[in-house]
Amino acid sequence: NAGVTQTPKFRILKIGQSMTLQCAQDMNHNYMYWYRQDPGMGLKLIYYSVGAGITDKGEVPNGYNVSRSTTEDFPLRLELAAPSQTSVYFCASSLAGSQPQHFGDGTRLSIL
Amino acid sequence: GDSVTQMEGPVTLSEEAFLTINCTYTATGYPSLFWYVQYPGEGLQLLLKATKADDKGSNKGFEATYRKETTSFHLEKGSVQVSDSAVYFCALSEGGSQGNLIFGKGTKLSVKP
Repeated sequence: NAGVTQTPKFRILKIGQSMTLQCAQDMNHNYMYWYRQDPGMGLKLIYYSVGAGITDKGEVPNGYNVSRSTTEDFPLRLELAAPSQTSVYFCASSLAGSQPQHFGDGTRLSIL
Repeated sequence: GDSVTQMEGPVTLSEEAFLTINCTYTATGYPSLFWYVQYPGEGLQLLLKATKADDKGSNKGFEATYRKETTSFHLEKGSVQVSDSAVYFCALSEGGSQGNLIFGKGTKLSVKP
């Protein structure tokens, strides 16, 4: 089972560049999430979606955008990369809000 | 707001030692509680969960009991192995329409042979 697939695994960006982090799940989960993990800080929620066509902000949404045109995909967009966005990004999905979340392997992003 | 506090790491143990990682939480309602584990270079994996007071979650020799009176969910294992070396995250979820997890900062465990 593929589960939650994130691409790319690593990326280096220059300040001001833009990019999209891809996330796909094949479990027919309604809920999807984007987190960032900074060293020693646990995970912080960026955006989440409770179903196709529905997205909402999490704790740290500034500088990011998301879309959810299908149940399977939940891409995260950085429009103007800044050094503060250097982090490891995790996508997750769950069947419902009260159910455990399944995580991808992460995207390590460095902005120089 | 809701929050999770877990013991600072790193924790270094010898193989077969007893493990406790403390976790306490603050929540307005009745959250579900989780322990996730992150092995090097990988994403988080659910280790165990408990959804109501006095529930005990268990998996792979790890256990944690949902203690509402002390707002705690401490992780324990009687005999750790080298393969248990990882970062452990305590988390809560209020469920409802969002379902997002509130994480502790993580505790890194290293087990030496």
